[in-house]
Amino acid sequence: GNSVTQMEGPVTLSEEAFLTINCTYTATGYPSLFWYVQYPGEGLQLLLKATKADDKGSNKGFEATYRKETTSFHLEKGSVQVSDSAVYFCALPLGGSNYKLTFGKGTLLTVNP
Amino acid sequence: NAGVTQTPKFQVLKTGQSMTLQCAQDMNHEYMSWYRQDPGMGLRLIHYSVGAGITDQGEVPNGYNVSRSTTEDFPLRLLSAAPSQTSVYFCASSQTGGRGTEAFFGQGTRLTVV
Repeated sequence: GNSVTQMEGPVTLSEEAFLTINCTYTATGYPSLFWYVQYPGEGLQLLLKATKADDKGSNKGFEATYRKETTSFHLEKGSVQVSDSAVYFCALPLGGSNYKLTFGKGTLLTVNP
Repeated sequence: NAGVTQTPKFQVLKTGQSMTLQCAQDMNHEYMSWYRQDPGMGLRLIHYSVGAGITDQGEVPNGYNVSRSTTEDFPLRLLSAAPSQTSVYFCASSQTGGRGTEAFFGQGTRLTVV
């Protein structure tokens, strides 16, 4: 079945630093790929997504490109802020159903002023 | 907008007790799911539903029951709580099963079984 391997943290950065969180996947076919973010004390919310190869998802300054050659969907941001401190999850559909997801283990990001 | 609402937010149970975690959504979504979140494990799918009256098992269903009598509600029942069920539980809903569909999550229920 589909699975995802995500860089484990924690990651600690200073404000305005560059962020990369690695995500690679194993899947049948070319599934949609997602990044979800969990702010302290809250549920998960969609950060960005890509539905086909070479698509770039972007939101709130974050970007990720669907690379089928390397089966990767790495999350990047050029200049992080304290408010970006959260747990980030890479995810893709579990099996062939788009409404069921399998998640990476999550990466805790802490941004210091 | 309420979105997905979970109750309670916190719960402590003794081993062997039963309880129901409530989940309700007001977006008229057909698809609903329950996940558990454990440290270092990400989220794992417990049960899911594709519509009222239809449920199925996910990756880790043992010890849990679900039902879906209405589109809005999807309760999760723990029949006989065990310490291994100590976790944070999230309910999620999706409007469609289409490609790239977004899942909306509740704020979670933190359950401790002693």
